[in-house]
Amino acid sequence: GEQVEQLPSSLIVQEGASVLINCSYTDSASVYFPWYKQEPGKRLQFIIDIRSNMERKQTQRLTLLFDKKTKHLSLHITATQPGDSAIYFCSATGTGGYKVVFGSGTRLLVSP
Amino acid sequence: EAAVTQSPRNKVTVTGGNVTLSCRQTNSHNYMYWYRQDTGHGLRLIHYSYGAGNLQIGDVPDGYKATRTTQEDFFLLLELASPSQTSLYFCASSDAGTLYFGSGTRLTVL
Repeated sequence: GEQVEQLPSSLIVQEGASVLINCSYTDSASVYFPWYKQEPGKRLQFIIDIRSNMERKQTQRLTLLFDKKTKHLSLHITATQPGDSAIYFCSATGTGGYKVVFGSGTRLLVSP
Repeated sequence: EAAVTQSPRNKVTVTGGNVTLSCRQTNSHNYMYWYRQDTGHGLRLIHYSYGAGNLQIGDVPDGYKATRTTQEDFFLLLELASPSQTSLYFCASSDAGTLYFGSGTRLTVL
C-alpha cells in the first residue's frame, strides 16, 4: 500500500527565515496531496493542497511543489512567524477508496 | 466549516478494559476515518468508512473494531485494551479528499 515519507522530522529557525519540508510517496496512483498543520494541543487543519496534474501551487507564504516523475513534494514556507510553530503533515490520497495516508510529520519551531 | 465532534476528550482504562470512542460529523460527508497519532509515527490509519454500514481496513487495524451506524456516527471499539494502544486518537470526515478533523481523544491504558 501507499507509504509516505516526510523529512525533516523537526526544524528550528529564527523568525523571518524560510523553511522547506519534503515528502515522498510510493503509489503512482495517488492523485491528491493535501497538507495539514497541527498547532500545539489543537486538531489538524488543512493548509494547502495540490493535485497530480499540477506542478506548483501558492497561497500567501506557502508554496507547494509537486514532481510526479519522482513522486516528490516540497512545501516552502517563507517569512516564518512564531505563529507558524506547529507540526506539519503531508498526505496522499488514491483514486479509489479515499484511503488517506499521512507522513510522520515535521515539527517546526520558529523563535522570535 | 465541517464539524467533527469526538467524545470523550480523555479516557483512562486498564489493560483488558473495554473502550468505545465516538465521533459525529454534521456535514453529511461520505467518508469517515479513525487515526492514531504517536510521536515518530505521525498519523496512522486504523479504519475508515464510506457510508453507513461500510467498513474499510486501514494500516494498523489489529486490536480495533469500528462501526459506522449512520452517515453521521463512526465508533472505534477496543474490546481488550492494551498499553500499546495508549495514544491520541483522531476522527476525521471528508467529502472529496480534504479531511476535517475532530479535537482528538487521549486514551491511556494502564
